[in-house]
Amino acid sequence: SQQGEEDPQALSIQEGENATMNCSYKTSINNLQWYRQNSGRGLVHLILIRSNEREKHSGRLRVTLDTSKKSSSLLITASRAADTASYFCATDAVGANSKLTFGKGITLSVRP
Amino acid sequence: NAGVTQTPKFQVLKTGQSMTLQCAQDMNHEYMSWYRQDPGMGLRLIHYSVGAGITDQGEVPNGYNVSRSTTEDFPLRLLSAAPSQTSVYFCASSYEGAHGANVLTFGAGSRLTVL
Repeated sequence: SQQGEEDPQALSIQEGENATMNCSYKTSINNLQWYRQNSGRGLVHLILIRSNEREKHSGRLRVTLDTSKKSSSLLITASRAADTASYFCATDAVGANSKLTFGKGITLSVRP
Repeated sequence: NAGVTQTPKFQVLKTGQSMTLQCAQDMNHEYMSWYRQDPGMGLRLIHYSVGAGITDQGEVPNGYNVSRSTTEDFPLRLLSAAPSQTSVYFCASSYEGAHGANVLTFGAGSRLTVL
């Protein structure tokens, strides 16, 4: 069963706009990670946020974590056509022996 | 650095045939894992290994075997292929040193079709 559930399932925006993607999870976590997958390729790690952190930045990426609501959001600012991809959240649950559980993913389309 | 290498990239099998998906990493990572990706299902963990000689089951292990005789290699065996095993398979590896957490490096994937 999926630990993380992303929302929305699909998102289409214009280049230059911001993209916000959400992830909810069910159990206590050690950390939450976001990955990107370009069409036909493997997943690539984007950013990790630990359970004792509330916000992290990496370039145009901003991730937040609310452990009381068991939710996270990924913001991509000033989106580019090259950001078109699927985005997955993955949780490292407490007691899961470092196994990562992935959500079903969000398909982001950035229109030029 | 090749990273995580999966072979083959594409494979077509008939029901009942067996085959092995190969995975090799050159990063000296202790942790390796296999996921399958199906439309609308995200990635589901099949088997994983925390080091040579140690393997364990993930969420969907039935119909698959693994072994970890070396740190570098983690092959996935399909004993008797079924159409339900049609999927894209990803191998991933990691070590906790860089982030203090399990951050995965993925291979490019192996697309398997079972007729």
